[in-house]
Amino acid sequence: DARVTQTPRHKVTEMGQEVTMRCQPILGHNTVFWYRQTMMQGLELLAYFRNRAPLDDSGMPKDRFSAEMPDATLATLKIQPSEPRDSAVYFCASGLVIGTESTGELFFGEGSRLTVL
Amino acid sequence: KQEVTQIPAALSVPEGENLVLNCSFTDSAIYNLQWFRQDPGKGLTSLLLIQSSQREQTSGRLNASLDKSSGRSTLYIAASQPGDSATYLCAVTSGSRLTFGEGTQLTVNP
Repeated sequence: DARVTQTPRHKVTEMGQEVTMRCQPILGHNTVFWYRQTMMQGLELLAYFRNRAPLDDSGMPKDRFSAEMPDATLATLKIQPSEPRDSAVYFCASGLVIGTESTGELFFGEGSRLTVL
Repeated sequence: KQEVTQIPAALSVPEGENLVLNCSFTDSAIYNLQWFRQDPGKGLTSLLLIQSSQREQTSGRLNASLDKSSGRSTLYIAASQPGDSATYLCAVTSGSRLTFGEGTQLTVNP
């Protein structure tokens, strides 16, 4: 049963602390997305990787957020220092690029719900 | 910049009714369009993917259509059931980005 796995599912932390969220994409998928979902903003794209290389991270606050893919089976999203406005659900999604700049079906993880006090 | 709009924002129907959810996008140069379902506290589940060369896709009681030239897609749900209650989102792929609509919150009443 192939699926995208995210950890932790829930995280409560205090302002100023470092937060790291992890994602295991579906084996064989070469594109990974990080999204943030809030009631006010809906789904926002934070970062996009293809073949482990970052292609688009323009939606990510550079001063505190960083995203990496140390290997094909792990993507990480780090926030340092965290702020209350970072409270949201963070989703990872993976898919397979078909053709140039075309993404096939996208599969989402269950999300990491972050609360920063 | 691609913008995706979904109408209505919320819909409540009695069980058994057929219904249509709408999605429109501003830039017709898309590679594909995908419909998702999201249950409360859960991730997004892919329902249907329509490539830009296709006009529709069907899966069970779901049928999605795509009209690229007019920038529109519809998701038709036949014989709705209470288990269909969820938020439905459409997303279009253009350039290197996948852009989501705000979603339609569907409630099917028994």
